[in-house]
Amino acid sequence: AQKVTQAQTEISVVEKEDVTLDCVYETRDTTYYLFWYKQPPSGELVFLIRRNSFDEQNEISGRYSWNFQKSTSSFNFTITASQVVDSAVYFCALSAVEYSGGGADGLTFGKGTHLIIQP
Amino acid sequence: NAGVTQTPKFRILKIGQSMTLQCAQDMNHNYMYWYRQDPGMGLKLIYYSVGAGITDKGEVPNGYNVSRSTTEDFPLRLELAAPSQTSVYFCASSYERRGQGEGYTFGSGTRLTVV
Repeated sequence: AQKVTQAQTEISVVEKEDVTLDCVYETRDTTYYLFWYKQPPSGELVFLIRRNSFDEQNEISGRYSWNFQKSTSSFNFTITASQVVDSAVYFCALSAVEYSGGGADGLTFGKGTHLIIQP
Repeated sequence: NAGVTQTPKFRILKIGQSMTLQCAQDMNHNYMYWYRQDPGMGLKLIYYSVGAGITDKGEVPNGYNVSRSTTEDFPLRLELAAPSQTSVYFCASSYERRGQGEGYTFGSGTRLTVV
């Protein structure tokens, strides 16, 4: 079965610090997609990034960067020079269909990491 | 720019009551999904549909029913509301399996409280 683990339940840092959110996944599918979503206090889900299993290049978007390593089944997210507006719950999610063992379509989410940026 | 529209945004139900959460998308997406989010937890898949007339169970289907009579609509039905169904419900859609192409589009959520 598919699984996404976000071991950090809550992280609190002071503004301008760098912070890394960890994500470890499990799937038997060879083709899959990994996602990060942000959920601010208002509750909506904001898409941040999608990465497919064949593309291990790291990605940088402004203060955000993502490190995908298939060898360790990890897809970590780093915020550089954090800001108060980055305070939110961040979810890592996996999309795969395990043809060998069945399984539903859709996303498998981790439990989320609550990031608190203190001024 | 409608995307995925969920109604209502908030609802309070009494134990044993029934209700339907509405979800509509105007992007001609084949795949639609219902998730629930409990406090401190990630989203869990309730039901999904790969096209009109086809639905299937997700991880937590008990207590819910769905139908997909059109490509656009995917309502979620609670027949006998229980306190355990207090949650935030998200509807989502995608054009392709696995969220390829345009990825997934989420609605803004329905906050349901059962008392």
